[in-house]
Amino acid sequence: TQLLEQSPQFLSIQEGENLTVYCNSSSVFSSLQWYRQEPGEGPVLLVTVVTGGEVKKLKRLTFQFGDARKDSSLHITAAQPGDTGLYLCAGYLTDSWGKFQFGAGTQVVVTP
Amino acid sequence: EAQVTQNPRYLITVTGKKLTVTCSQNMNHEYMSWYRQDPGLGLRQIYYSMNVEVTDKGDVPEGYKVSRKEKRNFPLILESPSPNQTSLYFCASSLSGAGNTIYFGEGSWLTVV
Repeated sequence: TQLLEQSPQFLSIQEGENLTVYCNSSSVFSSLQWYRQEPGEGPVLLVTVVTGGEVKKLKRLTFQFGDARKDSSLHITAAQPGDTGLYLCAGYLTDSWGKFQFGAGTQVVVTP
Repeated sequence: EAQVTQNPRYLITVTGKKLTVTCSQNMNHEYMSWYRQDPGLGLRQIYYSMNVEVTDKGDVPEGYKVSRKEKRNFPLILESPSPNQTSLYFCASSLSGAGNTIYFGEGSWLTVV
């Protein structure tokens, strides 16, 4: 059973459009991280959110952590072909520092 | 250069033949972990280690063993591989298991026939 549910599973958009990926759970996380993974490579960290309600911006990417620390979202403004990749949310449960949970991922394809 | 190195990167093996996937990190990290990645399931944690001689089961430990005899190495052992262990495996490390950045290796493609 996946503790972190990501939606949608797949997203195909045109260059210049906006997109949002969601990461939801019924469990509380002490922190949540977003990764991007390219084919044949390991995931690479984009951002860590720690405080409920926190919003972080990384150029055209905006990350939000829910007030209750159970959900998060990733919004990309004016997507570019270079944003294509598998986006994964992941986090540590509040009662288990060692167990690190991943969502199943959202495959984003941005076409020129 | 900060690195997590896995070997082998690609392996085809037969059912029941013991194999070990090595993992080494050069960042003096305390926390190391193994994941497997399967289509539609994301990354699932197999085992993790908070420090030398301290290991714990993740979500899918069945059929796997690990050891942490020294800080830099965390090998994954498949005593008797089966076809359902065909997967992409990632080793990862971080300073500690408490929200620090996790660094991943490049992955090991394992096929068990």
